[in-house]
Amino acid sequence: NAGVTQTPKFRVLKTGQSMTLLCAQDMNHEYMYWYRQDPGMGLRLIHYSVGEGTTAKGEVPDGYNVSRLKKQNFLLGLESAAPSQTSVYFCAGRERGSTDTQYFGPGTRLTVL
Amino acid sequence: LAKTTQPISMDSYEGQEVNITCSHNNIATNDYITWYQQFPSQGPRFIIQGYKTKVTNEVASLFIPADRKSSTLSLPRVSLSDTAVYYCLVVTWYLTGGFKTIFGAGTRLFVKA
Repeated sequence: NAGVTQTPKFRVLKTGQSMTLLCAQDMNHEYMYWYRQDPGMGLRLIHYSVGEGTTAKGEVPDGYNVSRLKKQNFLLGLESAAPSQTSVYFCAGRERGSTDTQYFGPGTRLTVL
Repeated sequence: LAKTTQPISMDSYEGQEVNITCSHNNIATNDYITWYQQFPSQGPRFIIQGYKTKVTNEVASLFIPADRKSSTLSLPRVSLSDTAVYYCLVVTWYLTGGFKTIFGAGTRLFVKA
């Protein structure tokens, strides 16, 4: 039982490049989330999904896209990376009916040059 | 939206009780209050959650007054391993089924020997 895992752990991109971050969970969570964490700003919600095939915008969605083709996977895409997207990205999952106990992955540290 | 406010940092000594207060003046009727702990290079980890009055588990207690405009996380007899950032979280639910999760900036607790 791996819980919530994220791939890759680290990545360096050049401005304008694209990439996809993968979040996988084996906890049968209905809800999945993508956050970014910047120094001194806590975590901010980028996008979320309330079930397979559904996605919705969070607090800071611009510059990102997501897909939830399978219940266990939630992908975060950057089509044209910018230095402002340098951050640590966390994925989390939650059970339907839970009053917000989220299980977080270990994070992906992304640097955009 | 229930924005949260916490102290930026706190210091304590091993064996002491630590109380961290979070302010959430605009909390709505259906919102729950959740606290997370985060160590460096790791994702946040759930500590405790409550709606009103007092909740206690094996690691912490959560005190919520009747007006629910604040909450206090209490860590009994802290040890060096409790040095971490502690986040207060309020989830605002919308009638459409969507929601917004807002993490505060977090309180950095440093426990000294």
